Amino acid sequence: EAGVAQSPRYKIIEKRQSVAFWCNPISGHATLYWYQQILGQGPKLLIQFQNNGVVDDSQLPKDRFSAERLKGVDSTLKIQPAKLEDSAVYLCASSPFIRGDYEQYFGPGTRLTVT
Amino acid sequence: QKEVEQNSGPLSVPEGAIASLNCTYSDRGSQSFFWYRQYSGKSPELIMFIYSNGDKEDGRFTAQLNKASQYVSLLIRDSQPSDSATYLCAVRTKWAAGNKLTFGGGTRVLVKP
Repeated sequence: EAGVAQSPRYKIIEKRQSVAFWCNPISGHATLYWYQQILGQGPKLLIQFQNNGVVDDSQLPKDRFSAERLKGVDSTLKIQPAKLEDSAVYLCASSPFIRGDYEQYFGPGTRLTVT
Repeated sequence: QKEVEQNSGPLSVPEGAIASLNCTYSDRGSQSFFWYRQYSGKSPELIMFIYSNGDKEDGRFTAQLNKASQYVSLLIRDSQPSDSATYLCAVRTKWAAGNKLTFGGGTRVLVKP
């Protein structure tokens, strides 16, 4: 079974530029999550999708971050414009269901550096 | 107050010893508790989860839960250098639309040969 795929793996941009990250979850997984992990901290949930609907985006800075999940499969996370404090690893995870305790499988992450 | 708190470490333990990691959480409605391991530069991977008060053992790992004290711990027996990593405590809380997983900041463990 293929794991969660993310691209790019690394990205360096200047502040005020825009950037987009892509995630392909495990086949058949209905729930998809985007986390932000700042160095030395635990992952922080940015947005959670159930199929192609948003379940929770309470911690997404909506003035600059946006995300979509087309057709309930792949997802993109965009930052526009980027700030220095957006430097972090962006992790995508997926799980089979939203309710119950099903493991979240994490992708390798995208390391973003904003200069 | 942070929702899930862990000592950042590093927790230094000699090879073969027991590593003891602690985690406290603030939401009494939290239902299940997870321990993830994260190697440097890698993504988190699930070690084990626990729902009920008491101990749960899986190989060299034991999770302990005390809901009254809002406390969960992880013991790593016979620690190996390969156990050197950051251990993340995560707490699942039920809310209207489903479940929410909140992570602590992680405890860095260093096992010395």
